[in-house]
Amino acid sequence: AQKVTQAQTEISVVEKEDVTLDCVYETRDTTYYLFWYKQPPSGELVFLIRRNSFDEQNEISGRYSWNFQKSTSSFNFTITASQVVDSAVYFCALSEALYGNKLVFGAGTILRVKS
Amino acid sequence: DVKVTQSSRYLVKRTGEKVFLECVQDMDHENMFWYRQDPGLGLRLIYFSYDVKMKEKGDIPEGYSVSREKKERFSLILESASTNQTSMYLCATLRDRFSEQYFGPGTRLTVT
Repeated sequence: AQKVTQAQTEISVVEKEDVTLDCVYETRDTTYYLFWYKQPPSGELVFLIRRNSFDEQNEISGRYSWNFQKSTSSFNFTITASQVVDSAVYFCALSEALYGNKLVFGAGTILRVKS
Repeated sequence: DVKVTQSSRYLVKRTGEKVFLECVQDMDHENMFWYRQDPGLGLRLIYFSYDVKMKEKGDIPEGYSVSREKKERFSLILESASTNQTSMYLCATLRDRFSEQYFGPGTRLTVT
């Protein structure tokens, strides 16, 4: 069965600190996709990244970076030099090949960035 | 840009009422989804639809039904609202398998 665990319920940092949000997943499928979404206080989920199971290259986009490690079934998200606007709930999600149009979400991590 | 709209941002209903939540998308996506979001539980799939008049149960369909008469509109129905259905409801669309889902702004439903 597919499962996504975000063990950090809430993280508080001070502006300009780096922060890493953890995501661990379980799947029996060899082909799957992993996603990160951001939910700001306005409520609408915003897509950040998609990574397939055959691509373990890390990705960097501005202050955001993602570390995908199949050996530990993890897909962690790091924000460098955090800003107040990064305050949001962040969700990690998994889609298996067999159920390609369904997402399973983690419980989410609340990130609070203080000035 | 994909636009997904939901009929209400906030809704207050009484126990036993029939409740309709509407979702409309403008990008001709085949797949549409309804989730509920609760603290500590993330998003859980209630129902989804991969075509007009087609629907499939998600992980928590009990107490809900859906309707998809037109491609752009997907409705979630609470036949007899109960207090444990107080939640944030999110609609999403999907262009094709493994692409990202696009979400609406959500409807915060309170059942008293």
